[in-house]
Amino acid sequence: GEDVEQSLFLSVREGDSSVINCTYTDSSSTYLYWYKQEPGAGLQLLTYIFSNMDMKQDQRLTVLLNKKDKHLSLRIADTQTGDSAIYFCAEINNNAGNMLTFGGGTRLMVKP
Amino acid sequence: DTEVTQTPKHLVMGMTNKKSLKCEQHMGHRAMYWYKQKAKKPPELMFVYSYEKLSINESVPSRFSPECPNSSLLNLHLHALQPEDSALYLCASSQDRGGLTYFGNGTRLTVT
Repeated sequence: GEDVEQSLFLSVREGDSSVINCTYTDSSSTYLYWYKQEPGAGLQLLTYIFSNMDMKQDQRLTVLLNKKDKHLSLRIADTQTGDSAIYFCAEINNNAGNMLTFGGGTRLMVKP
Repeated sequence: DTEVTQTPKHLVMGMTNKKSLKCEQHMGHRAMYWYKQKAKKPPELMFVYSYEKLSINESVPSRFSPECPNSSLLNLHLHALQPEDSALYLCASSQDRGGLTYFGNGTRLTVT
């Protein structure tokens, strides 16, 4: 199948860490992405990881990739209210013509 | 510069109107995309242009007509739309199909 799955909702307190999880299906995916969508806005490419990497860190963001389990996670350290948004993971799916296949999105709510 | 610019930001049209959505990128990307996004859902692919040629049409009704006048521009012509076509229309681009994909902020379309 071509399903990319995410939990629907995550609520954290300001200053805590957030971890958003994703499972994907195409073991031959070359890139795996995290996009952020704020209300009324488009999708912002937040970060990405190549499939030959296990981890990528970019300031407050840490992406972990477990290829064996086809599991991707995004950790946001010191979560701020401005991080409140919907986060979509996506893979380039070779079975879908090298097109992006999105998860359903995780709504992150950050409470002050 | 990773900017994809879409105009207009908002559009209200009647079912008998003809209108166009516009998208522009100056990153030298050769693949450009139209996506449709309904509330609280991930984007759905509509069309893919690769090197200015239509390469994927995801069974989109003919009331949506894409056009790629040159490598920087992508249009979506709208005619005789239905209220269920109301959505956020997102344009995206990548260096080639399957590459890092950047999105615009979208056009919020309301069909009355």
